[in-house]
Amino acid sequence: GAGVSQTPSNKVTEKGKYVELRCDPISGHTALYWYRQSLGQGPEFLIYFQGTGAADDSGLPNDRFFAVRPEGSVSTLKIQRTERGDSAVYLCASSLETNTGELFFGEGSRLTVL
Amino acid sequence: AQSVTQLGSHVSVSEGALVLLRCNYSSSVPPYLFWYVQYPNQGLQLLLKYTTGATLVKGINGFEAEFKKSETSFHLTKPSAHMSDAAEYFCAVSLITGNQFYFGTGTSLTVIP
Repeated sequence: GAGVSQTPSNKVTEKGKYVELRCDPISGHTALYWYRQSLGQGPEFLIYFQGTGAADDSGLPNDRFFAVRPEGSVSTLKIQRTERGDSAVYLCASSLETNTGELFFGEGSRLTVL
Repeated sequence: AQSVTQLGSHVSVSEGALVLLRCNYSSSVPPYLFWYVQYPNQGLQLLLKYTTGATLVKGINGFEAEFKKSETSFHLTKPSAHMSDAAEYFCAVSLITGNQFYFGTGTSLTVIP
């Protein structure tokens, strides 16, 4: 597709379960970002990939969160042992260049942990 | 440390009135500055950005913003509000020394007919 695609758009899970959120960036974009947006807040940085490697994962809140991008395109955000506090909209963005480049966002994956 | 502050989480203007959304930043190095807009049920999209050069930048839909280094501000304006401008607006900063984008908490704009 032409834009950043995120699946699922909505995910409801129970506390303690494992969740995977997928991001398919714009073709050719080497930079990929994951953000988390809670109600009434701005996007909060989680992790940034340049190609296949995580160039900056300083925003991941704890070791229950992990993300991969094995072939430098699609990325998966993985959350283990989900907690109610993990409920948020998880945003993925891609970019041709970092710093000065425009971020192209997907519509997000809304995660609800019951 | 770097941060972005958006004054006013909710702003209401009448249709045809001036729109002014405020953004202040703190940064230890020269920043790059952005405004993003989020319409209901849509992803964030770039309105405009400042990287280098002219401090008054123009974006889509008639919006513009001016980088004022002395005031550490990057306020967003539009001379005449339209109903379709109702959305959530986010100010963001990135640094030449890094690759993170830091977002403000957002301002919800309501346009009253």
